[in-house]
Amino acid sequence: DQQVKQNSPSLSVQEGRISILNCDYTNSMFDYFLWYKKYPAEGPTFLISISSIKDKNEDGRFTVFLNKSAKHLSLHIVPSQPGDSAVYFCAVSYDKVIFGPGTSLSVIP
Amino acid sequence: DTGVSQDPRHKITKRGQNVTFRCDPISEHNRLYWYRQTLGQGPEFLTYFQNEAQLEKSRLLSDRFSAERPKGSFSTLEIQRTEQGDSAMYLCASSPGQGMADTQYFGPGTRLTVL
Repeated sequence: DQQVKQNSPSLSVQEGRISILNCDYTNSMFDYFLWYKKYPAEGPTFLISISSIKDKNEDGRFTVFLNKSAKHLSLHIVPSQPGDSAVYFCAVSYDKVIFGPGTSLSVIP
Repeated sequence: DTGVSQDPRHKITKRGQNVTFRCDPISEHNRLYWYRQTLGQGPEFLTYFQNEAQLEKSRLLSDRFSAERPKGSFSTLEIQRTEQGDSAMYLCASSPGQGMADTQYFGPGTRLTVL
């Protein structure tokens, strides 16, 4: 039973446009959320995080939004660049980190 | 900047053989984690250490798997009598151990292929 869900296995976006990656979770006890990015043949790289006391966190082109009542978070990348093409994992930190299955983002030049 | 390192990066072995992987965490991090990742899935938690103490093991970690972290520094993950289903990427991560807001930093992984 997946506790962290990313229902879009893949996403294609034009360079310069916004990429929106979505994530849903099942346990309302989760209170710290992370996004990781993974290139082929590399380990996941930490991207951005948010705690449950906030509903938004920004870092440059990356913004994460958290909707606790809906148990939903999203990652916005604006503007998208070809170097953003990677697999993005949503994760929750709750004594250990639980990862979603990932969304493969392709940014088309 | 020394991140998390793993050795070897690739391992090909025959079914029934034993394999051992090594992970060197970021030096000031006291938590160390092992994950397994298969195609199309996110990393799945296997076990973690707080310093030298192994605090939790997933049910995914059968009795053929053993992990150690002597002296709370590097860690090893051994798989005995490998099976084809063990083929996966084995990832190590470390973190400062800051409770709730604890961010894990991953190594490049060891890709295991069992023939």
